[in-house]
Amino acid sequence: AQKVTQAQTEISVVEKEDVTLDCVYETRDTTYYLFWYKQPPSGELVFLIRRNSFDEQNEISGRYSWNFQKSTSSFNFTITASQVVDSAVYFCALSEQSDSWGKLQFGAGTQVVVTP
Amino acid sequence: ETGVTQTPRHLVMGMTNKKSLKCEQHLGHNAMYWYKQSAKKPLELMFVYSLEERVENNSVPSRFSPECPNSSHLFLHLHTLQPEDSALYLCASSQDEGMNTEAFFGQGTRLTVV
Repeated sequence: AQKVTQAQTEISVVEKEDVTLDCVYETRDTTYYLFWYKQPPSGELVFLIRRNSFDEQNEISGRYSWNFQKSTSSFNFTITASQVVDSAVYFCALSEQSDSWGKLQFGAGTQVVVTP
Repeated sequence: ETGVTQTPRHLVMGMTNKKSLKCEQHLGHNAMYWYKQSAKKPLELMFVYSLEERVENNSVPSRFSPECPNSSHLFLHLHTLQPEDSALYLCASSQDEGMNTEAFFGQGTRLTVV
């Protein structure tokens, strides 16, 4: 069963608009980690953020911000004032304590298209 | 320049061919991974190596054979593949295999099986 759900397949915005990517996860573990990765057209996945299950503080890094809510099992990602360079596929991923070897379970990804 | 390098970037092979994908990491990491990314499917973990030992094999068909000769290199040997094996194959590495360690990915090999 899919443990990470990214319901939005594609989001198109005009430059300078904000865009929020949804991520809902499912786990029975109390200890787990959540990640966001960006995959630009060049192919490699670029690590953006890691959050552990005990730290619900929201985080801001430049134009990026993350909203972690355990009550709704969500870890949403917002890009503020989007730029064309933000165009990429964004993946949310889960790593569970009960699942060995640091396995990352990825969502299906959300394609973000930012037009000038 | 990425710390994880994959070659070739693109590969077209027939179903009877034998080819190998190569991955090299320059980050001093102890764990390396192969992922498969197919169209319209989430990334799938194929193999995990920790300190050159295979520690995870996610029920991958035997036509995919990994090899990890040292902590910096990882290969994926391919033989008698099927068209449905066409995908982007991504290599990754991490400091160790723990759940809290972020993985660094290569740019992938785009494989087409004809």
